Amino acid sequence: EIVLTQSPGTLSLSPGERATLSCRASQSVSSSYLAWYQQKPGQAPRLLIYGASTRATGIPDRFSVSGSGTDFTLTISRLEPEDFAVYYCQQYGRSPPLTFGGGTRVEIK
Amino acid sequence: QLQLRESGPGLVKPSETLSLTCSVSGDSISSSTYYWGWIRQPPGRGLEWIGSIYYSGSTYYNPSLKSRVTISVDTSKNQFSLNLSSVTAADTAVYYCATIRGVIIGRLDNWGQGTLVTVSS
Repeated sequence: EIVLTQSPGTLSLSPGERATLSCRASQSVSSSYLAWYQQKPGQAPRLLIYGASTRATGIPDRFSVSGSGTDFTLTISRLEPEDFAVYYCQQYGRSPPLTFGGGTRVEIK
Repeated sequence: QLQLRESGPGLVKPSETLSLTCSVSGDSISSSTYYWGWIRQPPGRGLEWIGSIYYSGSTYYNPSLKSRVTISVDTSKNQFSLNLSSVTAADTAVYYCATIRGVIIGRLDNWGQGTLVTVSS
């Protein structure tokens, strides 16, 4: 099973700042099989980005991803008030199980 | 637009079986586009994949839950279901159903709103 470790656990930033979230895998994952989700309180997760860098429908271009192998990064270029939430990475490699990282909370400083 | 909705008891007694149904609207569950999945999230914690099913009935379960999980599909009702047996307090969670774009596992394109199931006597 591929274990995903996200850091930091909590990121305290102000609107307009840049957010950098890390996702590290216990073994190599193709960037084609990595996804990121946003979850707000009381809501289901929402798919943000998948594959190497494909944004889901309606996701603004301030969200981007980078990385390869075992280290991946989600970047929010300039935080908007609606971006404060919990973010999860997920891998879906060639075989089950599908696994998630533990999440990074982006909170208002 | 494809929509998913979970339904089932919100309270289950320890040692009993948790049963939930996911109703699909806006697309046929027999579509070859998706696998269909269950994911859960204990209060204040992260996400855990429970298992996936294809419309043909092929299933794949998380090894950590495999001995207690059964996922089934009813194409006539456009629904799929989750049974989790011998539950304990550790199974208390919000349970989500979702579409899986991929083979067995993949990205989770669409999610239901989730339903909280509490295991307590």
